[in-house]
Amino acid sequence: QVQLKESGPGLVQPSQTLSLTCTVSGFSLTSYDVHWVRQPPGKGLEWMGGIWGDGSTAYNSALKSRLSISRDTSKSQVFLKMNSLQTEDTAIYFCTRLMYTTDSNWFAYWGQGTLVTVSS
Amino acid sequence: DIQMTQSPSLLSASVGDRVTLSCKASQNIYKYLNWYQQKLGEAPKLLIYYTNSLQTGIPSRFSGSGSGTDYTLTISSLQPEDVATYFCQQYNSWYTFGAGTKLELK
Repeated sequence: QVQLKESGPGLVQPSQTLSLTCTVSGFSLTSYDVHWVRQPPGKGLEWMGGIWGDGSTAYNSALKSRLSISRDTSKSQVFLKMNSLQTEDTAIYFCTRLMYTTDSNWFAYWGQGTLVTVSS
Repeated sequence: DIQMTQSPSLLSASVGDRVTLSCKASQNIYKYLNWYQQKLGEAPKLLIYYTNSLQTGIPSRFSGSGSGTDYTLTISSLQPEDVATYFCQQYNSWYTFGAGTKLELK
């Protein structure tokens, strides 16, 4: 079955770079896109960006200047790198996969999320 | 970028009540609107896609409606297990979520 799992450091210092890995199973990264969504504690959800089956990427315009998403298809892994972290980047970071129908798509499969705290 | 505004941010209701949650887009999103339910400590779960299509396995007490910029999620008879935060999400232009409506029991 489809599974996604995030991994990475739980604590990052201000101004440093965050690196997260999403390891997937049950599907191929060359056939499906994977996205990153984050959620500050007690707050709403924010789409950060995604990488499509053909390797193309798209980013939230608010994060585009400091965000990069890449992948290693041989390892079934998607990577997130975001630089210049500030305390407001403290959040639970989810990786998620879209499900498509003829007239719709939605975030159907989610990892359990990983909490990243930005603090010195 | 499209902004999504949900109201109210907090809603208290009793078991059996009909509950209505609102979501307003900053521009026409042509019904490209999904609703998710998120319980504490869990990932979001899809309830409704394309404004009014009920996801498989979701109870029929949940329904969605709307068009243009204004959308609604309705729970016809609130159950205790419906206590959660509800998010709308547009996919007309990339993806944007609303800030959520927290639903609690009165």
